[in-house]
Amino acid sequence: DTAVSQTPKYLVTQMGNDKSIKCEQNLGHDTMYWYKQDSKKFLKIMFSYNNKELIINETVPNRFSPKSPDKAHLNLHINSLELGDSAVYFCASSRTDSPLHFGNGTRLTVT
Amino acid sequence: AQSVTQPDIHITVSEGASLELRCNYSYGATPYLFWYVQSPGQGLQLLLKYFSGDTLVQGIKGFEAEFKRSQSSFNLRKPSVHWSDAAEYFCAVGGRGGADGLTFGKGTHLIIQP
Repeated sequence: DTAVSQTPKYLVTQMGNDKSIKCEQNLGHDTMYWYKQDSKKFLKIMFSYNNKELIINETVPNRFSPKSPDKAHLNLHINSLELGDSAVYFCASSRTDSPLHFGNGTRLTVT
Repeated sequence: AQSVTQPDIHITVSEGASLELRCNYSYGATPYLFWYVQSPGQGLQLLLKYFSGDTLVQGIKGFEAEFKRSQSSFNLRKPSVHWSDAAEYFCAVGGRGGADGLTFGKGTHLIIQP
C-alpha cells in the first residue's frame, strides 16, 4: 500500500552512462515532482508535472528529462551521467491544497 | 523569490528536554508552511502543516508549530524529546497551487543525548 514508490533504491553507474529512475504514486494526486538532495542534505526541486504538462524546470541540465506516461507515473531519465549527478533523488506527489508525499529516494552514485 | 532559513545546522538536546527548531521564511503571498522529518536513509515524512486558521498547529509524534506572520516564522516545538526523534528536520514553504512545489530550508540535524 505504498503511496509513492520509486525504483531502484540504489543505483551505481559509471560516468557517461544513461540511466532511469521510476516513480509511481497510488494517491490519485494530479501533480508529481522530482527533487534532488545533495551531499549536504539540501533539497532542490527539479521538475513537476501536472496533468502531463511540465510546470517547472529549475535550470536543470537538459541531460535530465522527466517522462510521464500517465498521472500516476513520473520517470526521470538521465543521459551522459557525470560525477556531480551523484545525489539522492526523491519523487513526490500532491494535489492542490495538500502537502507533498515523498518516496523513499534513490541514491545515485556515479563513478 | 521564496526562501526558507533554518539558522541552526545542528542542535543537541538531552532526552526528555524540550525542543525548538527555528524556521524563517520569505514568500510573496499567503504561505503554506510545512515541517518534514527525514530519518537516515529514509524519505521525508510530513510532521505538520499550516494552511490557514489557528496559528498553532499540532502534528504527529507530539510536535507542534506556531505561525507568526509578523516575524515570518514557523518554529517547531516538542515538550519532551525521545531518542527516536534524532533525525534531520526540514522546514518548507509553498503556495496554494501546489504545482510550484515547495522550497526547503537546509535542514537542522537533531542529536539526542542520553
